[in-house]
Amino acid sequence: AQKVTQAQTEISVVEKEDVTLDCVYETRDTTYYLFWYKQPPSGELVFLIRRNSFDEQNEISGRYSWNFQKSTSSFNFTITASQVVDSAVYFCALRAYGNKLVFGAGTILRVKS
Amino acid sequence: NAGVTQTPKFRILKIGQSMTLQCTQDMNHNYMYWYRQDPGMGLKLIYYSVGAGITDKGEVPNGYNVSRSTTEDFPLRLELAAPSQTSVYFCASSYPREDQPQHFGDGTRLSIL
Repeated sequence: AQKVTQAQTEISVVEKEDVTLDCVYETRDTTYYLFWYKQPPSGELVFLIRRNSFDEQNEISGRYSWNFQKSTSSFNFTITASQVVDSAVYFCALRAYGNKLVFGAGTILRVKS
Repeated sequence: NAGVTQTPKFRILKIGQSMTLQCTQDMNHNYMYWYRQDPGMGLKLIYYSVGAGITDKGEVPNGYNVSRSTTEDFPLRLELAAPSQTSVYFCASSYPREDQPQHFGDGTRLSIL
């Protein structure tokens, strides 16, 4: 069975703080893909990043960075110098054989000015 | 660039009524999905389709029906609305490969009273 756990239900930070959102996954498949999606207050789901199980390189995109560690089954997301516009719900998701996407429960991020 | 379009955006139903949530995509994606998102929860898969004429159940299919007569359209039908079906419904589509992200519509907020 596949499972994604986002243990942090809600995080509040002050603008310009760095924040890390945790994601732990479970799967028996050796080939799988991990995704992060952002859901701003307007409600739509925005794709942020994809990582496959064979590529453990960390990725940086502007203020966003992702740390993938197979040894701990984690795919954590860090926002550097957070901004109010980063306030959203962030979902981690896992896709293995069969094309079904399994979502974590999401982490609500509140960035205060 | 329409992407995935869902209608309506909001709807209130009485218990026992029926309705169809519409979803259409213009990206020529083979795969389409319906999810529901309950407060504080991640997205749960209701039904999915790998191509016209082919549909399959997801994690929470009870109380719903789908059809896929064309590549573009994937309507979701509620036959006898129940309060437990109050939720936000998202339609998504993707290419067949597991590394491809799913693209989501803006959601339909449905209340059953």
